[in-house]
Amino acid sequence: NAGVTQTPKFRILKIGQSMTLQCTQDMNHNYMYWYRQDPGMGLKLIYYSVGAGITDKGEVPNGYNVSRSTTEDFPLRLELAAPSQTSVYFCASHGTEAYEQYFGPGTRLTVT
Amino acid sequence: RKEVEQDPGPFNVPEGATVAFNCTYSNSASQSFFWYRQDCRKEPKLLMSVYSSGNEDGRFTAQLNRASQYISLLIRDSKLSDSATYLCVVNMGYNFNKFYFGSGTKLNVKP
Repeated sequence: NAGVTQTPKFRILKIGQSMTLQCTQDMNHNYMYWYRQDPGMGLKLIYYSVGAGITDKGEVPNGYNVSRSTTEDFPLRLELAAPSQTSVYFCASHGTEAYEQYFGPGTRLTVT
Repeated sequence: RKEVEQDPGPFNVPEGATVAFNCTYSNSASQSFFWYRQDCRKEPKLLMSVYSSGNEDGRFTAQLNRASQYISLLIRDSKLSDSATYLCVVNMGYNFNKFYFGSGTKLNVKP
C-alpha cells in the first residue's frame, strides 16, 4: 500500500514555464487536496476535489489549475510559473468516513 | 485575524520534561480538530485527532475547549525523537472539506 505518491520530488523552473505536479493515491479516497507551504508558514489550500470530476478552489488558486478524471489521480498544473510560486507542494487525501488526511512526500519547486 | 493561530516557539526542553502547546481557532462552528507532526523537510503526519472529551495516546494528550476556542497538546516525558514542528489543523464547520493549518510550533528536546 503506497498511500499518497507525488512526482517529481524536486523541480527548478524558469519564469514563464509550465509544469504538472502529479499526485496519486491508492486508498480509494474521494477527497483530495493540494497545499503549498512557504518557509515558516502553515499549509495553504490551493484546490480540492470531493470526487472524480468535481474540483473547487481553495484559498490561493491563482496561477494553478487541477483536474480529477479518476479517483486515484489529482494533478496540479502550473501555467506561466512565477517566483512567487516557489514553495513546497503537498497533496493529501482522506476518505468519506474520517477526516484524517494522508499526505504525499511533497514536491519542492523553485522558480527562477 | 488568522483562522488558526499557534505560538511558533521554539520550545526548548530537556529530555523527560512535560511540554504543552495551545492553538486557538476563530470559527466557533469548527467541527474537527487535529494535531499533526512535521519533521524538517518532510510531509505532515497525523499525530492525534482531538475529540470533544479529550483523548490520550501514550505520552500525548489532546484537549478541546469549545467555549474558549482552543485545543491543546500535552507531551509527557519528552524524548529526543519528539523534536519536530507540531501543526494544529481545524476543519471549519461551514465548509466541511476545507482545513485550516496553523503555522506550527517548533519543539526542540535536548539531551
